[in-house]
Amino acid sequence: KQEVTQIPAALSVPEGENLVLNCSFTDSAIYNLQWFRQDPGKGLTSLLLIQSSQREQTSGRLNASLDKSSGRSTLYIAASQPGDSATYLCAVPDSNYQLIWGAGTKLIIKP
Amino acid sequence: NAGVTQTPKFQVLKTGQSMTLQCAQDMNHNSMYWYRQDPGMGLRLIYYSASEGTTDKGEVPNGYNVSRLNKREFSLRLESAAPSQTSVYFCASSVGGLNTEAFFGQGTRLTVV
Repeated sequence: KQEVTQIPAALSVPEGENLVLNCSFTDSAIYNLQWFRQDPGKGLTSLLLIQSSQREQTSGRLNASLDKSSGRSTLYIAASQPGDSATYLCAVPDSNYQLIWGAGTKLIIKP
Repeated sequence: NAGVTQTPKFQVLKTGQSMTLQCAQDMNHNSMYWYRQDPGMGLRLIYYSASEGTTDKGEVPNGYNVSRLNKREFSLRLESAAPSQTSVYFCASSVGGLNTEAFFGQGTRLTVV
């Protein structure tokens, strides 16, 4: 059974730093991996979806990488800003195409 | 660019009352989902509809029913609300099949007293 883990559960860094969020999964036979952002009291916003055939995907200051063999994805945020403060979640589909979720990393960017 | 729209945004119910949460998407997606999100529990799938005319149980279906009214709309019904159903409910949709990229509504915050 696929399990998804995100470490750390929370992260606080000063503004301007580059940072990496981690997502691990136990079954490497995935179709894709999706990163989401959730602001307090809000819904989830899709940030990046990286297909199993891809090694990385970029959107602005965000870069997601995927290493299926090691069961890991990282979300790299460059030049962090206070507006990046949110909870970041990753998810992978199982064999029935249903998403299996990590518990999220709560990110705080200090001005 | 409406995407996925949920109503209502907030609701307070008394134990035993019933209500229906509405969800509509305008992206012509085949698959739709209902999740609940609780502190410390993450997102849990209640029910999903892989395509119009089909519905299936997710991880936590007890106490809920769903209707896929048409391709656009997927509703979640609580027949007899219980305090344990206090949660934030999210509707989501995706193209379906291998295209699992999910898009979410803004959520419904439900309190059962």
